[in-house]
Amino acid sequence: GENVEQHPSTLSVQEGDSAVIKCTYSDSASNYFPWYKQELGKGPQLIIDIRSNVGEKKDQRIAVTLNKTAKHFSLHITETQPEDSAVYFCAAYRSNSGYALNFGKGTSLLVTP
Amino acid sequence: GAGVSQSPSNKVTEKGKDVELRCDPISGHTALYWYRQSLGQGLEFLIYFQGNSAPDKSGLPSDRFSAERTGGSVSTLTIQRTQQEDSAVYLCASSTLPDYGYTFGSGTRLTVV
Repeated sequence: GENVEQHPSTLSVQEGDSAVIKCTYSDSASNYFPWYKQELGKGPQLIIDIRSNVGEKKDQRIAVTLNKTAKHFSLHITETQPEDSAVYFCAAYRSNSGYALNFGKGTSLLVTP
Repeated sequence: GAGVSQSPSNKVTEKGKDVELRCDPISGHTALYWYRQSLGQGLEFLIYFQGNSAPDKSGLPSDRFSAERTGGSVSTLTIQRTQQEDSAVYLCASSTLPDYGYTFGSGTRLTVV
């Protein structure tokens, strides 16, 4: 099955700086890559996703890039704010495989004022 | 409903007892998933239901774990003869398709004492 590696496990940035979280996957047939944000005591929430037919997608301060050749994808958060502090999970999925999403182990992001 | 509802939100049980965890998915979502999240850990896949197809049980850690989904809607995860290592947050999610965004519930925090 799919194996998703996520780095770093913890990340601390100052407010206003950028944060980058990287993930690699093993199944070259994977074609859907979502990112989830989990705040304390809550379930993960989808924040952005990308499919394999595009290389980059942006939504305000959040962007995701995908390199299918290298089998990695990244989450970029610009102009970070304290409310961005949370645990972020990447995931990968291969359509028509009958499998559910496989998640990375998460990155705990702390944005300090 | 407006979101995925899980009950109970917290459950404390004695070692050896059976527990049932409930998930009410978003109406119309044909796919339903159970994941487990241990303290500070990532999301461990347990089981996946898609429409009327046989469920993917490949993530269930032992035969003490089982799940059913009645009428294509509500799902119940049952853990028999609970052990201390079963202590975790059990998350349920639903989606229209596996490669569309999951909506997670807030989870059930299970503590086995």
